[in-house]
Amino acid sequence: GENVEQHPSTLSVQEGDSAVIKCTYSDSASNYFPWYKQELGKRPQLIIDIRSNVGEKKDQRIAVTLNKTAKHFSLHITETQPEDSAVYFCAAPAGGTSYGKLTFGQGTILTVHP
Amino acid sequence: DAGVTQSPTHLIKTRGQQVTLRCSPKSGHDTVSWYQQALGQGPQFIFQYYEEEERQRGNFPDRFSGHQFPNYSSELNVNALLLGDSALYLCASSLGAPGGEQYFGPGTRLTVT
Repeated sequence: GENVEQHPSTLSVQEGDSAVIKCTYSDSASNYFPWYKQELGKRPQLIIDIRSNVGEKKDQRIAVTLNKTAKHFSLHITETQPEDSAVYFCAAPAGGTSYGKLTFGQGTILTVHP
Repeated sequence: DAGVTQSPTHLIKTRGQQVTLRCSPKSGHDTVSWYQQALGQGPQFIFQYYEEEERQRGNFPDRFSGHQFPNYSSELNVNALLLGDSALYLCASSLGAPGGEQYFGPGTRLTVT
């Protein structure tokens, strides 16, 4: 099955700085990589995703990059704000190409200091 | 446009009891996946339902079972509860099988004492 490793486990930045979270996956057949943001006591919220036919995708201050050769993908948040503070999870579909059976990373606790 | 809803919000059960959790998918979605999220960890896939059938299953024992109804809503049943079953149970809905982007509900917090 798929194995997803996420680093770092905690990340502390000053408001306005950039934050980068990295994930590696094991199944070379995987072709869909979502990122979720989970605030304390709330549901995971899909913030951005990327499919294997592109190397980068941006949505305002958030971007995701994918390196299929190295089997890793990263979340980039620019101009961080205190409301970006949350736990971020990467995920990849277990069993290769299936979107349904997501395997999640261990999570990164991001803290943005005003 | 209604999002994913789950009930109940919180539940306290005793070891050995049985529990049923409910999920209504986002409007327009027909696939429901269930996840277990232990404190401080990422969600773990339990199973997925599409067209009223279990399509995929994660590494969970048979004590975990489910059902999907014709209106696409779903139930998760857990029998013979263990202390280790205490967790946040999340359902996620998507469109099609094996499913596109998954959108999560608010979860049911289950505490087993």
